[in-house]
Amino acid sequence: QLQLQESGPGLVKPSETLSLICTVSGGSISSSSYYWGWIRQPPGKGLEWMGSIYYSGSTYYNPSLKSRVTILVDTSKKQVSLKLSSVTAADTAVYYCARLKYSPGNYAMDVWGQGTTVTVSS
Amino acid sequence: EIVLTQSPGTLSLSPGERATLSCRASQSVSSTYLAWYQQKPGQAPRLLIYAASSRATGIPDRFSGSGSGTDFTLTISRLEPEDFAVYYCQQYGNSPMYSFGQGTKLEIK
Repeated sequence: QLQLQESGPGLVKPSETLSLICTVSGGSISSSSYYWGWIRQPPGKGLEWMGSIYYSGSTYYNPSLKSRVTILVDTSKKQVSLKLSSVTAADTAVYYCARLKYSPGNYAMDVWGQGTTVTVSS
Repeated sequence: EIVLTQSPGTLSLSPGERATLSCRASQSVSSTYLAWYQQKPGQAPRLLIYAASSRATGIPDRFSGSGSGTDFTLTISRLEPEDFAVYYCQQYGNSPMYSFGQGTKLEIK
């Protein structure tokens, strides 16, 4: 079945750029019925949607992060990448990749990666 | 911006009891765009309910969702030990495109 796997550095210095990759396996990244998104969760806190991308490259970002977030898709590698610039300690979180259903009657996040912890510290 | 407010913050119940979790939106949300997730410690969220009342694949029928407009409810008819977790509601469609409630922790009494 479809699986998502996040990867990237677990430690990032303040003011630098956080970079993560989500690799899709067991299914297509190019389905017309899905977006692919990044969601994060600071320690002990709730979930925050960061942004989403369609296989064509069309993106939507959370306005609260828009100036710092870039999400890209590489369909040949079946990967979705996340870049978050100018990070601070407030960006310390578990970062999840998820598949976002996009069809009439269903707009939920139906498959999630296991998440990867990123700590921002010098 | 739509804000989702979940109540209660913590719900203490015993196995076998019925759980009722609330999600209230600051503006009307189409029921098509409302989902519920379960998250256990150290795990990713899992989709339970989409379109306010449709169970996701593999979700037991003791989980049900209802509601419309600004008030939505997740009901667990008879709690099993594995149901004690944090539950989030989520809406799609209004800026930001996706937003979550702050969560309800369901704990064993």
